[in-house]
Amino acid sequence: EVQLLESGGDLVQPGGSLRLSCAASGFTFSNYPMSWVRQAPGKGLEWVSSIGGSGDTYYADSVKGRFTISRDDSKNTLYLQVNGLRAEDTAVYYCAKSLVVAARGYFDYWGQGTLVTVSS
Amino acid sequence: DIQMTQSPSSLSASVGDRVTITCRASQGISNYLAWFQQKPGKAPKSLIYAASSLQSGVPSKFSGSGSGTDFSLTISSLQPEDFATYYCQQYTSYPLTFGGGTKVEIK
Repeated sequence: EVQLLESGGDLVQPGGSLRLSCAASGFTFSNYPMSWVRQAPGKGLEWVSSIGGSGDTYYADSVKGRFTISRDDSKNTLYLQVNGLRAEDTAVYYCAKSLVVAARGYFDYWGQGTLVTVSS
Repeated sequence: DIQMTQSPSSLSASVGDRVTITCRASQGISNYLAWFQQKPGKAPKSLIYAASSLQSGVPSKFSGSGSGTDFSLTISSLQPEDFATYYCQQYTSYPLTFGGGTKVEIK
């Protein structure tokens, strides 16, 4: 059974930093692209960042230069280092596993999310 | 960036109704379109990928169609557990983008 368990969310002041983690189990982690998607309170889903199995990375413009996605395949864990946090980064952050079909990856499993609140 | 526009943004329906939600992409995305269901306080759940392929374990009352720019999700007979918010998402190119969501409520 695929399981994705996020952690690391917290209340942080503007300009602060956090490292979010997503522990994966139930599948061969190194074989799959992984992503972070966030959802601000009462709002829709917003893609944040993705990392391929070979380490290629992609970012939304809104977080480029402030957030860094990484993975440790030996620990089956996905990370998101978030720096320079702003009020508009307040959201539940979900990690999602991708399944590649016809050369494109779609989100087939999601974690339960971790809440990041940016406030003074 | 590819914009995804869902309609309606909300709808009220009764148990047993057939419901259709539409999603339009600002440019052609072939069939790289997914649908997700999200219940309050829960993570999204994958329903459909490649516009019309059912994710494993998802009941066949859900179906998807479309290609290019126009897509739809249909629930054939709405049940109490189907009241939720539904999102479409394109995955043909970065940045990956979602529709604004359609909230399906009980009439």
